[in-house]
Amino acid sequence: GAVVSQHPSWVICKSGTSVKIECRSLDFQATTMFWYRQFPKQSLMLMATSNEGSKATYEQGVEKDKFLINHASLTLSTLTVTSAHPEDSSFYICSAEALGRRYYGNTIYFGEGSWLTVV
Amino acid sequence: RKEVEQDPGPFNVPEGATVAFNCTYSNSASQSFFWYRQDCRKEPKLLMSVYSSGNEDGRFTAQLNRASQYISLLIRDSKLSDSATYLCVVNSNNFNKFYFGSGTKLNVKP
Repeated sequence: GAVVSQHPSWVICKSGTSVKIECRSLDFQATTMFWYRQFPKQSLMLMATSNEGSKATYEQGVEKDKFLINHASLTLSTLTVTSAHPEDSSFYICSAEALGRRYYGNTIYFGEGSWLTVV
Repeated sequence: RKEVEQDPGPFNVPEGATVAFNCTYSNSASQSFFWYRQDCRKEPKLLMSVYSSGNEDGRFTAQLNRASQYISLLIRDSKLSDSATYLCVVNSNNFNKFYFGSGTKLNVKP
């Protein structure tokens, strides 16, 4: 089945530093990837849609200069949290869209998620 | 109005019980529908797609009601391992976006 790999799983960083999270589709090409954030006991919140070869589309209220997204290839998207602060501590999850194949419509598969703690 | 709405629960049921969740969506043009399961502090995992004709996978049955714009998930003979949050996901292919419900928490107790 489709697999999406996310790295790192856990990261602790100092306030003011930047952190990069990678999302890779391992056995399919993903022209579109999505980045989400989830605070404890809350739902997934879409941050941005990452399109290969073009600029990401950010959801309302998400600062594009703070959350830099790069989708340089059909299998890799990265999210960089710049100048991280404690309030950015959260669970960040990526997903990639697998087109057609066995499933009705398009199906999304999730990475394992990255726990970011900013101290 | 939210794109996708779910009852957050929690639904507390005994082992062996049958439990059903509903999820309503606001965009009548929505094309694809899914149920995902999310365990605590883990990523969501695809449970099943929801077909227009309804579909069944073991103890799980998913149905789509386009007229009333909702999807449902029925779990029969609940197991302790079914305890999780169940997320409803709706895709409007026209806009290539996936919308998530807030999730329904299920607790299956011995």
